[in-house]
Amino acid sequence: DTEVTQTPKHLVMGMTNKKSLKCEQHMGHRAMYWYKQKAKKPPELMFVYSYEKLSINESVPSRFSPECPNSSLLNLHLHALQPEDSALYLCASSQERSGGTDTQYFGPGTRLTVL
Amino acid sequence: KQEVTQIPAALSVPEGENLVLNCSFTDSAIYNLQWFRQDPGKGLTSLLLIQSSQREQTSGRLNASLDKSSGRSTLYIAASQPGDSATYLCAVEMDSSYKLIFGSGTRLLVRP
Repeated sequence: DTEVTQTPKHLVMGMTNKKSLKCEQHMGHRAMYWYKQKAKKPPELMFVYSYEKLSINESVPSRFSPECPNSSLLNLHLHALQPEDSALYLCASSQERSGGTDTQYFGPGTRLTVL
Repeated sequence: KQEVTQIPAALSVPEGENLVLNCSFTDSAIYNLQWFRQDPGKGLTSLLLIQSSQREQTSGRLNASLDKSSGRSTLYIAASQPGDSATYLCAVEMDSSYKLIFGSGTRLLVRP
């Protein structure tokens, strides 16, 4: 099973709402990632978790709050977002090797619209 | 700072043609290079991963090469089909960083 699942598929929220994006994998991968992708642009890395610990935060605003409750789950908590945060949010996972990672497997994404 | 460039930005070919997509990067201290495919509004599908010590990888009609010293990779697609129409992204992982740096992609259209 090489599947990464993400819920919800679509999310519309107001600027005062609090919502969460969820990501799950059952491949035994120990690295998990959040990316943001704007239309017609490549994905941009937001966060990396390695062995359930945050290892990279690409200077993402605090209105995005990641959480890794266990080795299979990754959440992204959203609060007080801005319309410019509307994008496709992609989750990915990979096996770790000494000195780097293996192929990253991506989920289908959550299409977020902030009104 | 690593920069990844993909040329061309868009490509339209008739079905059956063989084609080459190009990817270049400025910093050769990479751990691996990956090629992905993305259909509109969807997630990314991994096609091929080449470790920095390798020169090429093959999967079915796809062949990817890597010349680390010159900072170049190519993705060769043989006998293209309409189902190959998608955006193709290359990404490099820097040594020991977990971070993928993506090119802007090549939008491929294969006409029936």
